[in-house]
Amino acid sequence: NAGVTQTPKFRILKIGQSMTLQCTQDMNHNYMYWYRQDPGMGLKLIYYSVGAGITDKGEVPNGYNVSRSTTEDFPLRLELAAPSQTSVYFCASSYGIRTQYFGPGTRLTVL
Amino acid sequence: DQQVKQNSPSLSVQEGRISILNCDYTNSMFDYFLWYKKYPAEGPTFLISISSIKDKNEDGRFTVFLNKSAKHLSLHIVPSQPGDSAVYFCAASAGIQGAQKLVFGQGTRLTINP
Repeated sequence: NAGVTQTPKFRILKIGQSMTLQCTQDMNHNYMYWYRQDPGMGLKLIYYSVGAGITDKGEVPNGYNVSRSTTEDFPLRLELAAPSQTSVYFCASSYGIRTQYFGPGTRLTVL
Repeated sequence: DQQVKQNSPSLSVQEGRISILNCDYTNSMFDYFLWYKKYPAEGPTFLISISSIKDKNEDGRFTVFLNKSAKHLSLHIVPSQPGDSAVYFCAASAGIQGAQKLVFGQGTRLTINP
């Protein structure tokens, strides 16, 4: 039982490039979330999903897109990378509405 | 608008003593509160939570206190151990329908000195 896994661990992008951050969970959780954490700040919710095919915006969705075609996977897409998207990205999942379990994070730098 | 605030960026405590981490919130709709612990290069891990219908919840060395009138919660760790050195995040959510959209504080870095 690996829990929540994220790939890649690190990535450097140039301005304007695009990429997909991968997130997979093997706990059969129905809810999944994407957060970003900027230096010295708390985590902020980007997008979330309550099940396959259902996604919704969080607090800071601009510049990102998500999809959820399966229960296990919840990829986060950056279309035109900007320096403001330099951050650490965490994926989380939960069964129901309470405890969320987080992945190890992806550290993204946009230059 | 910072709805959840942890005003102490860091805290240093002697091993064996009590660690007290504080958190304030402004949104009266929050009804569930959590503490997460984070080590470097890892994701946050759930520590303890409390519902707004309670004022205290204990789990081993960890106790969370909630003062709704003051919109304040605290995490007590007794006794503090070196492995407790980490960043602690307070988080809150509102409502029981749909997904749990957590709002996090900025975190407090706790250092336990031997």
